[in-house]
Amino acid sequence: EDQVTQSPEALRLQEGESSSLNCSYTVSGLRGLFWYRQDPGKGPEFLFTLYSAGEEKEKERLKATLTKKESFLHITAPKPEDSATYLCAVCPGGGNKLTFGTGTQLKVEL
Amino acid sequence: DAGVIQSPRHEVTEMGQEVTLRCKPISGHDYLFWYRQTMMRGLELLIYFNNNVPIDDSGMPEDRFSAKMPNASFSTLKIQPSEPRDSAVYFCASSLARRRGGLSEQFFGPGTRLTVL
Repeated sequence: EDQVTQSPEALRLQEGESSSLNCSYTVSGLRGLFWYRQDPGKGPEFLFTLYSAGEEKEKERLKATLTKKESFLHITAPKPEDSATYLCAVCPGGGNKLTFGTGTQLKVEL
Repeated sequence: DAGVIQSPRHEVTEMGQEVTLRCKPISGHDYLFWYRQTMMRGLELLIYFNNNVPIDDSGMPEDRFSAKMPNASFSTLKIQPSEPRDSAVYFCASSLARRRGGLSEQFFGPGTRLTVL
């Protein structure tokens, strides 16, 4: 059974204080790993897809990396508008089903 | 494009009543997914369709839940009879078929917050 564990559950940062969110996974043949952002009262919004170990993708202050067992979402010099819940999901080889982690709730304060 | 549209946005009902949630996917998308989100269990896939055909319903919790997709632009998730433990936010998502060399991302709707009293 595919499993995704995200840590920490919650994270509070000061504006400009860089940090990383972790996503550990077990999956039968990773087809892809997704990162989504979810704001309160809204549906998840797509950020990145990673396919193989060593791959990295960046978007503004966010950078996602992937190893064979985990993925990191690095947030550089965060701003209050980066406050959200960040979700990680894996898709197994040969399938289309996503298994989501329970997310990391990030709050960035002035 | 208006994105994935869900209705109603909020639903409050009493235990035992029938509940129908509706979804309009993004035009041209081949896949449609129904998820349920709770604090305890996070986001869970219930069922997904490809070209209007149900592919995997292994996440549907029990026979009280059913989903249909009569055409490419409409899907319903029905709960009959509803129970308090069904209270959650239900999301619909859609995506294109697999792009060459990769996976297509899923686009989520705003969700329906269901409360069963």
